[in-house]
Amino acid sequence: RKEVEQDPGPFNVPEGATVAFNCTYSNSASQSFFWYRQDCRKEPKLLMSVYSSGNEDGRFTAQLNRASQYISLLIRDSKLSDSATYLCVVGVSGAGSYQLTFGKGTKLSVIP
Amino acid sequence: EAGVTQSPTHLIKTRGQQATLRCSPISGHTSVYWYQQALGLGLQFLLWYDEGEERNRGNFPPRFSGRQFPNYSSELNVNALELEDSALYLCASSLVGTIQETQYFGPGTRLLVL
Repeated sequence: RKEVEQDPGPFNVPEGATVAFNCTYSNSASQSFFWYRQDCRKEPKLLMSVYSSGNEDGRFTAQLNRASQYISLLIRDSKLSDSATYLCVVGVSGAGSYQLTFGKGTKLSVIP
Repeated sequence: EAGVTQSPTHLIKTRGQQATLRCSPISGHTSVYWYQQALGLGLQFLLWYDEGEERNRGNFPPRFSGRQFPNYSSELNVNALELEDSALYLCASSLVGTIQETQYFGPGTRLLVL
């Protein structure tokens, strides 16, 4: 089983639609969770951290289910500018160090 | 405030040669991370440096090495280049190197091995 698994998509949605991305992770000792966004031929940028209680930032809502080892990202009222690849990221620490593991990403295209 | 910078932006080498990639973190950040993003693959963690020390290493052969300088900039060296090393190499920095911190990425160096 891959450490961090995402549906690669692409998800093609019309403007204004609501779209949800899912991500599963294999290491139950994972301690930090993020969604990063990567535009075509650009570097990844943090979209939001994901907390156990769930969190919302404008049109974006992230949820974490530790029992099921599952993370989700919901985008409401999609904009053309939301078109990008969304990376699910999980952090694991141990032996005085830590490491982030990135999923391969889910590609979103918002269509006019 | 300047972001993470990387040089060169593009690098073309032939098999067997050595490549040196450079990264300058955001001012005040002490941790530098290196990732490889090959076509069709996700970001793969390579190395983490903090305060001049190697803190963690990903599942890559020893010909991938690096160092961090006193000014916190970093260098990634890839020896005995292989065709499969062709990828985008991304550097990221964070303030002090904790698991909850945001990592800020540079624009990357595109390495092509012929």
